Amino acid sequence: GAVVSQHPSRVICKSGTSVKIECRSLDFQATTMFWYRQFPKQSLMLMATSNEGSKATYEQGVEKDKFLINHASLTLSTLTVTSAHPEDSSFYICSARDVSRANTEAFFGQGTRLTVV
Amino acid sequence: AQTVTQSQPEMSVQEAETVTLSCTYDTSESDYYLFWYKQPPSRQMILVIRQEAYKQQNATENRFSVNFQKAAKSFSLKISDSQLGDAAMYFCAYCLDSGYALNFGKGTSLLVTP
Repeated sequence: GAVVSQHPSRVICKSGTSVKIECRSLDFQATTMFWYRQFPKQSLMLMATSNEGSKATYEQGVEKDKFLINHASLTLSTLTVTSAHPEDSSFYICSARDVSRANTEAFFGQGTRLTVV
Repeated sequence: AQTVTQSQPEMSVQEAETVTLSCTYDTSESDYYLFWYKQPPSRQMILVIRQEAYKQQNATENRFSVNFQKAAKSFSLKISDSQLGDAAMYFCAYCLDSGYALNFGKGTSLLVTP
């Protein structure tokens, strides 16, 4: 099956620094990728939709200047948390769909646990 | 906006028994897709089963089956012959088609006891 690789799986950073998270589709092309955030014991909340070659679409309440998304190729989307603060500590998950397939199964990355100290 | 509701925060089942997880959703669309995802402690999201709304037949995948009631907007998951490895968070999700993100319910934590 299709695989989505997310890196890093775990990162600890100091408050005020920036962190980049990568999401790659390994064996398929993804014109659209999605970024979710999950707090402990809660559901996945959509942050933004990443579109290859164009600007991301952010959900209401998500700061676009803080969570920078770049989708420069059909296999890679990045999420950069800028000037991170402790309240940004969370689990971030990306997902992607294979544009060549008719079904709508979304493949998920392994997730990134971000801890801001 | 579409909403997905899972009314059971936690469920427990004995090994080898059957358990049903509930899910309801709200939408004005006629064509859409419904999913059940499993999230074990590793937090990797794993697709359990998928249902296309235009299909009347309920989807099945080995020990997993759904009861899809389109008019009632209900999409429950039945796990038969429960195994210890089934213990996880289960999320019900909705989407329109491949260009849209999944809209998740709050999840049900399933405990499987020996």
